Amino acid sequence: AQKVTQAQTEISVVEKEDVTLDCVYETRDTTYYLFWYKQPPSGELVFLIRRNSFDEQNEISGRYSWNFQKSTSSFNFTITASQVVDSAVYFCALRGIIQGAQKLVFGQGTRLTINP
Amino acid sequence: SQTIHQWPATLVQPVGSPLSLECTVEGTSNPNLYWYRQAAGRGLQLLFYSVGIGQISSEVPQNLSASRPQDRQFILSSKKLLLSDSGFYLCAWSSAARNEKLFFGSGTQLSVL
Repeated sequence: AQKVTQAQTEISVVEKEDVTLDCVYETRDTTYYLFWYKQPPSGELVFLIRRNSFDEQNEISGRYSWNFQKSTSSFNFTITASQVVDSAVYFCALRGIIQGAQKLVFGQGTRLTINP
Repeated sequence: SQTIHQWPATLVQPVGSPLSLECTVEGTSNPNLYWYRQAAGRGLQLLFYSVGIGQISSEVPQNLSASRPQDRQFILSSKKLLLSDSGFYLCAWSSAARNEKLFFGSGTQLSVL
């Protein structure tokens, strides 16, 4: 069975600090996709990144970076120089490679609060 | 461009009353459609998904049902709501052709009292 664990339920930091959100996953699939979504107070989930299990290169997008470590089954997300607008709930998710619908398995989410 | 509409935004219903949440997608055809539920302080749980009109797959046994009467319309229903049905319900779609990621609606906060 597939499982995603986000051990950090809540994180609170002061603006401009760097913060890392952890994600650990379990799957028997040899090929899979990993995702991060952001849920601001408005409720809508916003897609941040998708990573194929074959691609272990770390990715950077502005202040966001992702560290994919297949050996430890982790896909951690770091925000550099955090800002108040980064405050949200962040979800890590896993999907096996299947035909048809995307069946994402989500972690419990990490509520990130950036204090001014 | 594609958009997804979900309504109502909030809903307060008494126990035992019926439920109907509607979701529509514009700007695409034959999307895969999904209903997720987010209970308070918990992650998202997939309830139903559909790969075509009239095709519904259920992920967990529950008090809810889903229907897809039209290509871009997905409805979540219940005949009699339970207290445990309270939560935040999110509709989502993905492209059947590209099938790369989910696009979520703005959600419905359901409170069953």
